[in-house]
Amino acid sequence: AQTVTQSQPEMSVQEAETVTLSCTYDTSENNYYLFWYKQPPSRQMILVIRQEAYKQQNATENRFSVNFQKAAKSFSLKISDSQLGDTAMYFCALLTGTYKYIFGTGTRLKVLA
Amino acid sequence: DTGVSQNPRHKITKRGQNVTFRCDPISEHNRLYWYRQTLGQGPEFLTYFQNEAQLEKSRLLSDRFSAERPKGSFSTLEIQRTEQGDSAMYLCASSSLETYEQYFGPGTRLTVT
Repeated sequence: AQTVTQSQPEMSVQEAETVTLSCTYDTSENNYYLFWYKQPPSRQMILVIRQEAYKQQNATENRFSVNFQKAAKSFSLKISDSQLGDTAMYFCALLTGTYKYIFGTGTRLKVLA
Repeated sequence: DTGVSQNPRHKITKRGQNVTFRCDPISEHNRLYWYRQTLGQGPEFLTYFQNEAQLEKSRLLSDRFSAERPKGSFSTLEIQRTEQGDSAMYLCASSSLETYEQYFGPGTRLTVT
């Protein structure tokens, strides 16, 4: 069975500081993709960053970067220079050959002014 | 690119009634997905279309649920004889054949009273 685990239900960070959200996953597939999505309050899910499992280099998108540890099946998201607009639920998702996402339960991030 | 749209955004219905939701994907996207999200949880996969063919259905999709994508464009999700346990956010997403990331609509929030 494929699973995604996010062990931090809630986190907070001061504006301009750095925060890391954790995600672990399990799959027997060799080819898969990992994603972080952001869901602001009452708004739709937005893709933050993606990582192909076959790539060793960690993905980066502006202030967002990942630490992908394939052997440990870990995929954490680092947000640098946190902004108030980063306040949202963050979901880690796994995509394999079946094309459907397996989501974690999410981490609620609050950025404090 | 107008994004994925869903209608209605909110639906309140009485137990036992039938409801139908519509999803319009990004126009050039061949794949369309339905997910269900309950409070405090990540989205759970319901079903997936490639063009007009429904290729996979989750065991979560009981026989009271039916989804269609008749011309490979918009999709409808119908729930018959609604139950209180059907109360949730129903999310639609689409993707192209060339990339793997899914783009989500704003969702339809169903409340069954």
